[in-house]
Amino acid sequence: QVQLQESGPGLVKPSETLSLTCTVSGYSISSGYYWGWIRRPPGKGLEWIASLYYSGSTYYNPSLKSRVTISVDTSKNQFSLTLSSVTAADTAVYYCARGDPYPASAAETYYFDYWGQGTLVNVSS
Amino acid sequence: DIQMTQSPSSLSASVGDRVTITCRASQAIYNYLAWFQQKPGKASKSLIYAATSLQSGVPSKFSGSGSGTDFTLTISSLQPEDFATYYCQQYYSYPLTFGGGTKVEIK
Repeated sequence: QVQLQESGPGLVKPSETLSLTCTVSGYSISSGYYWGWIRRPPGKGLEWIASLYYSGSTYYNPSLKSRVTISVDTSKNQFSLTLSSVTAADTAVYYCARGDPYPASAAETYYFDYWGQGTLVNVSS
Repeated sequence: DIQMTQSPSSLSASVGDRVTITCRASQAIYNYLAWFQQKPGKASKSLIYAATSLQSGVPSKFSGSGSGTDFTLTISSLQPEDFATYYCQQYYSYPLTFGGGTKVEIK
């Protein structure tokens, strides 16, 4: 059974960098699929942040691209998110998820088939 | 960006009821539409992908229909474990986007 678990600080100060890690169990990241981050600010909808393909290709939401980096550590079966220069608007529940590209498309897109439980990150001084 | 409009935003229903949730895309997305269920503190569960395909292990009371811009998720007979929030997601193009969610509550 594929399982994902987010980890990281629950409180980040404004202007600092938010760093989260997703640990995957039950499946090897290096075997395939896409791996991504999604967030939900309080009282708002879900927002896709970024994803990567197991081979290293990365995909970013243009609205956040200038501040976001997604990376993978296959030796630990983890992938990570960093979001720089955070503000209160970045307060949200952050989810990691696996992306399944069925049906395959030229756009290299996917739906999320396995999710973590989510972790709340507050941006506050 | 493709906007996904989900309706209703919430509904109250009784055990045994048939429930229908709709999702409308701001442009055609063919069948690149998925549905998933979210409960507080639990990992979200994928229900439907490619608009109509049932995810492995998901009971057949869940079904999806539609193509192009209009899609529907139906729960044929609501059970206590189905009270949750349901979301649609388009994966036709980047950025990937989600509907606003439908919270299904007990009447």
